[in-house]
Order: sequence, then structure tokens, then C-alpha cells
Amino acid sequence: DAKTTQPNSMESNEEEPVHLPCNHSTISGTDYIHWYRQLPSQGPEYVIHGLTSNVNNRMASLAIAEDRKSSTLILHRATLRDAAVYYCILFDNAGNMLTFGGGTRLMVKP
Amino acid sequence: NAGVMQNPRHLVRRRGQEARLRCSPMKGHSHVYWYRQLPEEGLKFMVYLQKENIIDESGMPKERFSAEFPKEGPSILRIQQVVRGDSAAYFCASSPRQGQGNQPQHFGDGTRLSIL
Repeated sequence: DAKTTQPNSMESNEEEPVHLPCNHSTISGTDYIHWYRQLPSQGPEYVIHGLTSNVNNRMASLAIAEDRKSSTLILHRATLRDAAVYYCILFDNAGNMLTFGGGTRLMVKP
Repeated sequence: NAGVMQNPRHLVRRRGQEARLRCSPMKGHSHVYWYRQLPEEGLKFMVYLQKENIIDESGMPKERFSAEFPKEGPSILRIQQVVRGDSAAYFCASSPRQGQGNQPQHFGDGTRLSIL
């Protein structure tokens, strides 16, 4: 079964970049890598996703290793509003969610 | 804001009662997913529906739980004869097209179900 591994928590200073890692060594060739984040008492919010190439959007960047066994979510300048639990999730080609682990709790210090 | 709407936000039931959770997908979305989240844990997939069809219910308990997504109206997740272990946050997500890994899912803010 597909599985993702993330650190339980990370700390960052405000205005500094944050690199959130995720290992997914059992990923299949057609599985997509998605990142969502969740604030307390809210539903998960989509951040970014990719398949093989690195991706950028207004929220973040996603760096995918060449062998696709790991990826890194990059927040270029952390703000206090970025404090949340970040989940790295694999979806298969049919849109089925394969994994939803414990995520990384990001704490941002002013 | 035409996001995914779930109601009620909080629901309290006594053991043995029925719980009905509603989800209205984003405008234009015809695919709905239900997930359950226990405190301090990730989401667990329950069921995937299109209008009037259950596509995948592999994550849903075989007894007491049912889901529907009628032609008109919201998707309903129904839990009959609730037990304490059903206490959790239930999230609904929607997507615009037939299940594709390339499509992000849009989540509602969930229903927090508490069983007394």
C-alpha cells in the first residue's frame, strides 16, 4: 500500500523560507503528489500538486525528486497565517486518495 | 462564496439515535467524497459518489452507515444507531470531473459529531 512519511512538527521564523519534506518511496508511476493544509476546526485546503516536474503557484512551490520517492513543499516566506498542519497525499490516476497520514504541524514564530 | 457547504457544523446525538450530515458541493461539481477524521489523526476515506451513483464505498462500515447523492439536493451521510466510536469530524470534498488524480479536491469545514 502507498504510504507517506512526514516529520511530526517543524518550526520556522516569520518571513523565512520553510521546506516541508515528504517521503513516498512506494509511489507508483501514475500517482499524483498533492499537498493540503488544515487549520484548527477547518477543512483541508488545497495547496499544490504535481506528477513529475516541479510546480509553482501563488501559495507555494513543490519540488519533486527525480526518482519521485520524495518531495518538498516550499513556502518562500512564512507568515503567521501559514501555521497549520500540512499533509502530503498521494492520489492515483483515477482520483482515489491513497494516503492521508499524520502530517507536519508547522509553527511560525514572530 | 460558492465553496463546499456542510451542515450542521456541530451535531450532538445520544447513543442509538440517527445522525444525518449534509454536504452541498461547489457549484458545477458533480463528484462528492466523504472522509472521517479522529482527533489528532489524518483523514480516512469513506465513500465516493456521483449524482445518483455510489462509485466507491470501500471505506464505509458495512453496517449503520449509508450515503446518497440525489439528482437534486445535497449529498447525505447517514449514521443509524450511533455509538460513542462514531464521534469524529466528518468532511466532505467535491471535484468537478470524473475522478482524476490531477484534480484537487475542495473540502468543506466539516461536521463535528459528538455522541453522548
